Amino acid sequence: AQKVTQAQTEISVVEKEDVTLDCVYETRDTTYYLFWYKQPPSGELVFLIRRNSFDEQNEISGRYSWNFQKSTSSFNFTITASQVVDSAVYFCALSEAVHNTDKLIFGTGTRLQVFP
Amino acid sequence: NAGVTQTPKFRVLKTGQSMTLLCAQDMNHEYMYWYRQDPGMGLRLIHYSVGEGTTAKGEVPDGYNVSRLKKQNFLLGLESAAPSQTSVYFCASAPGQGAYQTQYFGPGTRLLVL
Repeated sequence: AQKVTQAQTEISVVEKEDVTLDCVYETRDTTYYLFWYKQPPSGELVFLIRRNSFDEQNEISGRYSWNFQKSTSSFNFTITASQVVDSAVYFCALSEAVHNTDKLIFGTGTRLQVFP
Repeated sequence: NAGVTQTPKFRVLKTGQSMTLLCAQDMNHEYMYWYRQDPGMGLRLIHYSVGEGTTAKGEVPDGYNVSRLKKQNFLLGLESAAPSQTSVYFCASAPGQGAYQTQYFGPGTRLLVL
């Protein structure tokens, strides 16, 4: 069955530390897409990245990077030199091309607190 | 562009009361979704719509009804509110069909049922 697991409920770091948020997924499909969303204290959900199952290249965007490994069914998110503005809840989500197409399956989220 | 907007932002209801949450998008998206967010449970899909005049059930549809009379609007109704429906409700929209489509979310509606 399809599932997204974010085992880290809450992480606290001090500014400038690097932090990795874990995401493990389960799917029957060979074609699927993985997403990360950010939910800052203001409450809205902000799209960060989408990755398809055929592209295992790591992606970097400024201080953000994502590591996709099909062998371990993981799509981890790293923030380098964290800042207070990175404090938020981060959600990983899965979309399947066949069995649950057009629907997003969310993990339970990881709350990141960055202290000055 | 406003993107996805939700009305109201916050509402308090008494058990048994009814209300309608409005979602509007100005991106000409075909697909629209209603989710609820509860502590420790992530976002769960309530209902969704693949186009004007069509709706379908999601993971947790009981106690809710929806309508999509216009492409840009997706309404979520609670006919008889229960305390278990206390939650934050998010609307989202996506351009069209396909697992690769990115969903864009509204700011959320916080609902408290007493």
